[in-house]
Amino acid sequence: DAGVTQSPTHLIKTRGQQVTLRCSPKSGHDTVSWYQQALGQGPQFIFQYYEEEERQRGNFPDRFSGHQFPNYSSELNVNALLLGDSALYLCASSPMGGSNEKLFFGSGTQLSVL
Amino acid sequence: SQQGEEDPQALSIQEGENATMNCSYKTSINNLQWYRQNSGRGLVHLILIRSNEREKHSGRLRVTLDTSKKSSSLLITASRAADTASYFCATDFNDYKLSFGAGTTVTVRA
Repeated sequence: DAGVTQSPTHLIKTRGQQVTLRCSPKSGHDTVSWYQQALGQGPQFIFQYYEEEERQRGNFPDRFSGHQFPNYSSELNVNALLLGDSALYLCASSPMGGSNEKLFFGSGTQLSVL
Repeated sequence: SQQGEEDPQALSIQEGENATMNCSYKTSINNLQWYRQNSGRGLVHLILIRSNEREKHSGRLRVTLDTSKKSSSLLITASRAADTASYFCATDFNDYKLSFGAGTTVTVRA
């Protein structure tokens, strides 16, 4: 049973560019959440997708957008990259419409903005 | 801002010793969870304690929750080298997100 998979593992971009990160949830899970983890900090909630719609959003600008596909996989898009967007981006999946009682995380995408 | 605050920020112990870390939060919660992260990669769920529970055990882990003090503690008994990791508390306020603290980095020396 595959867990949560994220791609790519690492990414290097320059300021102003755009990036797309991908996530496949754990089998049987229908809800995907995205978190940003800066170096030395805990993860911060970006948004959650359920039934192909953004259900809740954290304190992130509109440069951060997402999508969920009918197969429950998800993408995170970040436009006009800033140096401060450098972080580990984590995808987490959960079953049954988004219960937070046990999130399953992927290994993350390490984004470096130069 | 992050709701949970872990203490201490870092902890170094000898193999076989116990490790204790604490988490404080600011508002009423639905439940509190602890996660482990190895080498800055994905987080792994360890244990969940609900707001109406005071203590839970899972293997070598013991979690307590004091809602009057808005605090929780995680105890790892008989630590092993494989317990070297960062540990995060995460609070669930009954919405769709978890709020994580900045974590406690635990180093277990052989």
